[in-house]
Amino acid sequence: AQTVTQSQPEMSVQEAETVTLSCTYDTSESDYYLFWYKQPPSRQMILVIRQEAYKQQNATENRFSVNFQKAAKSFSLKISDSQLGDAAMYFCAYRSPNRDDKIIFGKGTRLHILP
Amino acid sequence: DAGVTQSPTHLIKTRGQQVTLRCSPKSGHDTVSWYQQALGQGPQFIFQYYEEEERQRGNFPDRFSGHQFPNYSSELNVNALLLGDSALYLCASSVQVIPGTVSNQPQHFGDGTRLSIL
Repeated sequence: AQTVTQSQPEMSVQEAETVTLSCTYDTSESDYYLFWYKQPPSRQMILVIRQEAYKQQNATENRFSVNFQKAAKSFSLKISDSQLGDAAMYFCAYRSPNRDDKIIFGKGTRLHILP
Repeated sequence: DAGVTQSPTHLIKTRGQQVTLRCSPKSGHDTVSWYQQALGQGPQFIFQYYEEEERQRGNFPDRFSGHQFPNYSSELNVNALLLGDSALYLCASSVQVIPGTVSNQPQHFGDGTRLSIL
């Protein structure tokens, strides 16, 4: 069974600085999707960035980028120029390409932005 | 274009009661998944509905059941409520571009229903 591990329950970063959130996963599949979701206090799960395992190039979305290391099964999220609105719970997630379409989430990292 | 909508927003029940939560998927989506998110935890997959049938199920007891209607909306029913069922219940919708296969399109989540069991 696939698992997702986020080893940092909480992190803090100064506004305008850069922070990296860690995620590791375990799977026997060769093709899959990885995601980072943001959940602010409003509760809605918002997709931040996604990566397809067959793509070697790391995904980038504005200030958000990932470091995808397939062999190491590592998928970290880098947030550049941190803003107060980035404060939230961040969840790393795994999705199989097979008919089993469930998403497996990590336990999350709470990110605090210090003004 | 309305996203995923869930109702009610909050719900308070007592042990032993039954509850029904509702979800309307994003326009154009045909697949609905339900997740349970306990306080301080990541969401856990309950089950998924496509073509009005339960297609996949997570590690949840039979007290958790669901339904999908012809308009793709879905209900989650929980019987004989336990204190441990207190959680945020999230609905996510997606589209199966090729029926029977997983699309690379992401699942879109609703704001959730906060269920409290007294």
